[in-house]
Amino acid sequence: LAKTTQPISMDSYEGQEVNITCSHNNIATNDYITWYQQFPSQGPRFIIQGYKTKVTNEVASLFIPADRKSSTLSLPRVSLSDTAVYYCLVGDMRRGNEKLTFGTGTRLTIIP
Amino acid sequence: EAQVTQNPRYLITVTGKKLTVTCSQNMNHEYMSWYRQDPGLGLRQIYYSMNVEVTDKGDVPEGYKVSRKEKRNFPLILESPSPNQTSLYFCASSLKRLPYNEQFFGPGTRLTVL
Repeated sequence: LAKTTQPISMDSYEGQEVNITCSHNNIATNDYITWYQQFPSQGPRFIIQGYKTKVTNEVASLFIPADRKSSTLSLPRVSLSDTAVYYCLVGDMRRGNEKLTFGTGTRLTIIP
Repeated sequence: EAQVTQNPRYLITVTGKKLTVTCSQNMNHEYMSWYRQDPGLGLRQIYYSMNVEVTDKGDVPEGYKVSRKEKRNFPLILESPSPNQTSLYFCASSLKRLPYNEQFFGPGTRLTVL
């Protein structure tokens, strides 16, 4: 399983764009990159998933360079409600291999 | 409403007293999983199940058992709980719709073992 490394914490002001980078040097060919968001005392919530280049949805963008050894979650114009822990996961989504490792995540604090 | 439910939400017990935490999903998901969350350690996978009667160990399976007799239910069993199993537990489920794999998490069960 590819191990991921993320910053432990980040601070940002409201209205700014926030980029959280995840390092996964040992990513395998069949691995996908997935990001989750977790608020205190709640279960994680899926944000976005991708394999290569760029993926965008209504809440975030995910940038993956050609070598796929890292990825960046981009949150546009953050608000106080984006204060949460963000987890980067790398996992093989093929049938028969769905053991997933969340790691310790990045604690994002949005400052008014 | 599509959801994952866990019971109980809070439990205080004593060392050695067997307990079961139930998990149920109403989305017809094949994949289900249990995690524990401890301060500074993030989320760690305990067991997962690919489908009925198919289970496998995650990263921290010691001291836990699971079963998957029905698709919707995935109970977590602690045969002889110990204080080091005091934690916040989450159950999750997802479709096996490759490669998309969004997991839906339950509300969590906070367990204290005295």
